[in-house]
Amino acid sequence: DQQVKQNSPSLSVQEGRISILNCDYTNSMFDYFLWYKKYPAEGPTFLISISSIKDKNEDGRFTVFLNKSAKHLSLHIVPSQPGDSAVYFCAASNSNTGKLIFGQGTTLQVKP
Amino acid sequence: KAGVTQTPRYLIKTRGQQVTLSCSPISGHRSVSWYQQTPGQGLQFLFEYFSETQRNKGNFPGRFSGRQFSNSRSEMNVSTLELGDSALYLCASSKLGLENFNEQFFGPGTRLTVL
Repeated sequence: DQQVKQNSPSLSVQEGRISILNCDYTNSMFDYFLWYKKYPAEGPTFLISISSIKDKNEDGRFTVFLNKSAKHLSLHIVPSQPGDSAVYFCAASNSNTGKLIFGQGTTLQVKP
Repeated sequence: KAGVTQTPRYLIKTRGQQVTLSCSPISGHRSVSWYQQTPGQGLQFLFEYFSETQRNKGNFPGRFSGRQFSNSRSEMNVSTLELGDSALYLCASSKLGLENFNEQFFGPGTRLTVL
């Protein structure tokens, strides 16, 4: 039972353009969402998060949007840079349980 | 400040054997969580230890166990290895625990291959 799904295994964009990574969840009890970035041979690093009381959070080139009614969140990277090429994981949690549930990951390739 | 370290980085075992993986958290961090990463499944939560006590547990069989020592270092053990246990095992540390989600720092992982 995959509670957090990233349906696109890979995404390729041109440098300077926008990258949009999507994530869907099924558990309406999730109230905190995060995005992690992972380079090969390294552990995931935290990128950006959003609480369910918000619908948008921005940090530099990275913006996360949350649509609670659709149980959908997305990560926008503008402008995309070659150094953004990595695997991106979305994760969700309920504050009461504290466990992070991750999606399968999306591999982003930004071409120069 | 040293990051999260995991040893060994690579491991090859055969079916039926057991394995122990080690994780040293960032100094001052008392919470250590373990995850299994496999292709197509993403990161799946195994368990979390805080101050030597298991606080949270994922949906893995009893062959997967762990412990935490007084210095916050943690070990994960898998007994009676199966081919499906081949994965990247990641540990993450944080100061207070899973409540501080954005302060979870991951180690580089241990790549386990079961033949």
